[in-house]
Amino acid sequence: GENVEQHPSTLSVQEGDSAVIKCTYSDSASNYFPWYKQELGKRPQLIIDIRSNVGEKKDQRIAVTLNKTAKHFSLHITETQPEDSAVYFCAAPHGMGGGADGLTFGKGTHLIIQP
Amino acid sequence: DGGITQSPKYLFRKEGQNVTLSCEQNLNHDAMYWYRQDPGQGLRLIYYSQIVNDFQKGDIAEGYSVSREKKESFPLTVTSAQKNPTAFYLCASSSFRGQPQHFGDGTRLSIL
Repeated sequence: GENVEQHPSTLSVQEGDSAVIKCTYSDSASNYFPWYKQELGKRPQLIIDIRSNVGEKKDQRIAVTLNKTAKHFSLHITETQPEDSAVYFCAAPHGMGGGADGLTFGKGTHLIIQP
Repeated sequence: DGGITQSPKYLFRKEGQNVTLSCEQNLNHDAMYWYRQDPGQGLRLIYYSQIVNDFQKGDIAEGYSVSREKKESFPLTVTSAQKNPTAFYLCASSSFRGQPQHFGDGTRLSIL
């Protein structure tokens, strides 16, 4: 099955600076990579996702890049704000179904925005 | 208002007891999933179902059981065989393609 590694486990940045979280995956057939944001005690919320036919996707201050050759993908948050403080999870398809048979998650990155 | 509803929000289990967590969705999604989250950890897949009357084991299915008798419902039973059931349980659903998956608010299960 798929294996997803996520780094760093904790990331502290000054408000207004950029944050980058990186993930690697093991299955070269994986074709869908979502990112979730989870605030304490709440549900994970999808913030952005990318499919393997594109290398980069942006949504305002958030972007995701994908390198299929190296099997890694990254989340970039620019101009960080206090409300960006949360735990962020990357994920990849659990099996061959592109996500229909579930997702395998990284262990999470606790992003702390320092005022 | 469309969404995924999990109940109860908090649940306590006694020794040797089976408990059932409810998950209902009104998004007309074909696929539904159960994940377990331990403190400071990522989510791990317990079971998933792509169509009614069919479901498959995930990575940590031992000690759990599910049913999918209706498209909108996917209850999870935590059996007495699950020796370490204390965790945050999250239900998700998606279209048949599995993209994207959206989550309910979760059920926090503790041992009495």
